[in-house]
Amino acid sequence: RKEVEQDPGPFNVPEGATVAFNCTYSNSASQSFFWYRQDCRKEPKLLMSVYSSGNEDGRFTAQLNRASQYISLLIRDSKLSDSATYLCVVSGSSASGGSYIPTFGRGTSLIVHP
Amino acid sequence: IAGITQAPTSQILAAGRRMTLRCTQDMRHNAMYWYRQDLGLGLRLIHYSNTAGTTGKGEVPDGYSVSRANTDDFPLTLASAVPSQTSVYFCASSDLERGSYNEQFFGPGTRLTVL
Repeated sequence: RKEVEQDPGPFNVPEGATVAFNCTYSNSASQSFFWYRQDCRKEPKLLMSVYSSGNEDGRFTAQLNRASQYISLLIRDSKLSDSATYLCVVSGSSASGGSYIPTFGRGTSLIVHP
Repeated sequence: IAGITQAPTSQILAAGRRMTLRCTQDMRHNAMYWYRQDLGLGLRLIHYSNTAGTTGKGEVPDGYSVSRANTDDFPLTLASAVPSQTSVYFCASSDLERGSYNEQFFGPGTRLTVL
């Protein structure tokens, strides 16, 4: 089982819709959680960190559920410009036992159409 | 330089040739990373370095080597390229503070094709 799993989608939604993505992780000792956004043929860029208490940034809300080992991203009032791939990142341990090695999910593709 | 840069932007390489991908950052971040991204497989960590002078293996290190002689530079070398190393390679850096993992900043990527 891959350490970090995401539904690849694509999620195809109309403008104005609300869409949610989940990401599950297998390492219960994971300490840091993030959502990145990646546009086609571009580098990933940080969208938001995910805190234990949940956090919101405008139309975006991130939640962490440690008991069930997943993080979520909610996008409200979707815009055409939200079309991208959303990557979840979890920091876990390397194979050699070192810590703080980030592991990326494979990404969830979002397409927002008019 | 502003942020993190990679060179070359793209490269076509004959199998068996040696190739070094360059990565330089000017943010004085202590940690640096190399990933490859393939369709359907996402970003996979090749090698990383938590501080100058140290390196570690990621998920897919075979066929690659790295060095971290100083804070700013983290070159990735393919000693003898094979077609399965055709991919987009991203370098990233972050500032590890007291062991906590912070945001990664990515370079623009190098598109490598091995024929």
